[in-house]
Amino acid sequence: GQQLNQSPQSMFIQEGEDVSMNCTSSSIFNTWLWYKQDPGEGPVLLIALYKAGELTSNGRLTAQFGITRKDSFLNISASIPSDVGIYFCAGFDGDSGYSTLTFGKGTMLLVSP
Amino acid sequence: NAGVTQTPKFQVLKTGQSMTLQCAQDMNHNSMYWYRQDPGMGLRLIYYSASEGTTDKGEVPNGYNVSRLNKREFSLRLESAAPSQTSVYFCASSEGKPMPLHFGNGTRLTVT
Repeated sequence: GQQLNQSPQSMFIQEGEDVSMNCTSSSIFNTWLWYKQDPGEGPVLLIALYKAGELTSNGRLTAQFGITRKDSFLNISASIPSDVGIYFCAGFDGDSGYSTLTFGKGTMLLVSP
Repeated sequence: NAGVTQTPKFQVLKTGQSMTLQCAQDMNHNSMYWYRQDPGMGLRLIYYSASEGTTDKGEVPNGYNVSRLNKREFSLRLESAAPSQTSVYFCASSEGKPMPLHFGNGTRLTVT
């Protein structure tokens, strides 16, 4: 099956710092999604990307759909304590017969006040 | 608007017991999914239902069965629970492809 490599696995940063995380794949995806999971809850969609090269922002979050269609990046600017959680990337390939999302293993973000 | 509702929130089973996890969505979505989440493993698809009346296996279907009861409801059954099925189970729904999935808040299952 398809696999996504998400890095880093975890990050421990100071409040106010910027954060970057990424996902890479050996396969091409047509859609990239970024989710955040707060402790004890289900993942919530942050940003959806549908076009290679697309750069989309949602408040302090910015995500990009890599031009090769094999990677995506998520940046968080000026982190705050409520940014704590697990961030997942997910890719969708509607061309190969796979009809479901492939998830990365997540990046755990901890923010120190 | 509740979104995706899962019951129960917590469950403890003994090895060999059976149970059904319930999921309902009120967004009129066609597709529904069951995932399990284990530490360091991310989210793994167990079963999905692309539309009412259809179900398909995902990445880790062994030991599970599903029923798409109607457009709103999609249940996951463990016929004979095993300790390896200790996990957090998430139900999700989507309108179609390409999807963002909308997740419930999970069922935390422990099998002893």
